[in-house]
Amino acid sequence: ETGVTQSPTHLIKTRGQQVTLRCSSQSGHNTVSWYQQALGQGPQFIFQYYREEENGRGNFPPRFSGLQFPNYSSELNVNALELDDSALYLCASSLGGNSYNEQFFGPGTRLTVL
Amino acid sequence: GENVGLHLPTLSVQEGDNSIINCAYSNSASDYFIWYKQESGKGPQFIIDIRSNMDKRQGQRVTVLLNKTVKHLSLQIAATQPGDSAVYFCAERSGSARQLTFGSGTQLTVLP
Repeated sequence: ETGVTQSPTHLIKTRGQQVTLRCSSQSGHNTVSWYQQALGQGPQFIFQYYREEENGRGNFPPRFSGLQFPNYSSELNVNALELDDSALYLCASSLGGNSYNEQFFGPGTRLTVL
Repeated sequence: GENVGLHLPTLSVQEGDNSIINCAYSNSASDYFIWYKQESGKGPQFIIDIRSNMDKRQGQRVTVLLNKTVKHLSLQIAATQPGDSAVYFCAERSGSARQLTFGSGTQLTVLP
C-alpha cells in the first residue's frame, strides 16, 4: 500500500450534477496530482497542487477544479457532469512540486455518470 | 501533439519466460521515464524509472532500456510469474508541474 487514500471508492451521479472527490496524501508529501483514467486508457493529468496552490494543469475545462488543504489533503471538484466524465479518478502524492521524486498513487475513485 | 504510446495492447507469455513490453514516446523534452504496473481495482504502482542521461537501468527482475535516438522505451521482466499479470504503462515526465504523460497500456497475461 502507498499510504495514499481516496474517498469514496465508487460514486454514481447523473448528468449535470456536481461531485467532490477526496484524497489524503502520504505522510510528509506536499504535492498532490490528479489524473483521470477512462476505461482501457492510461491516466491523463488533470492538475497538480503544491503547497496549497495549483502548480500545473492539463487539458481539462474549468469545470474541473481543485483544492489543497494545509494538511496537504486535496479535493477534486467537477461541475456540470457529463457522460464522458465517467472514469477512474486517481490522485498521486509526492514530495516536492518540481523534482524526480516518485509519485505514489491511491486506489482511485470510480465515478459513473448516468 | 506529443504523446506516449505503446506498440502492443496485449502480451501473453508462459510462466518462467522473459517478457518485453515496448513503448514509443514523442516528446523530446521529456527527461524522465517511468514504468507502472496496474492491477485490477488498484492505482498504478511504480516499477522502475530511468533518466534520459542513462540508457539502461536494472531492478529486481526488471530492466528498463531507453533509446533516445528512436524515442523508444522497453521494460524487460525476467522469469515472468503469475503475479506479474497486469496492465503496464510507460509514462514520461515533463512540463512545468513535472506531470506524467501515460501511454495507453499493455495487458500482460502470464500463462501457466
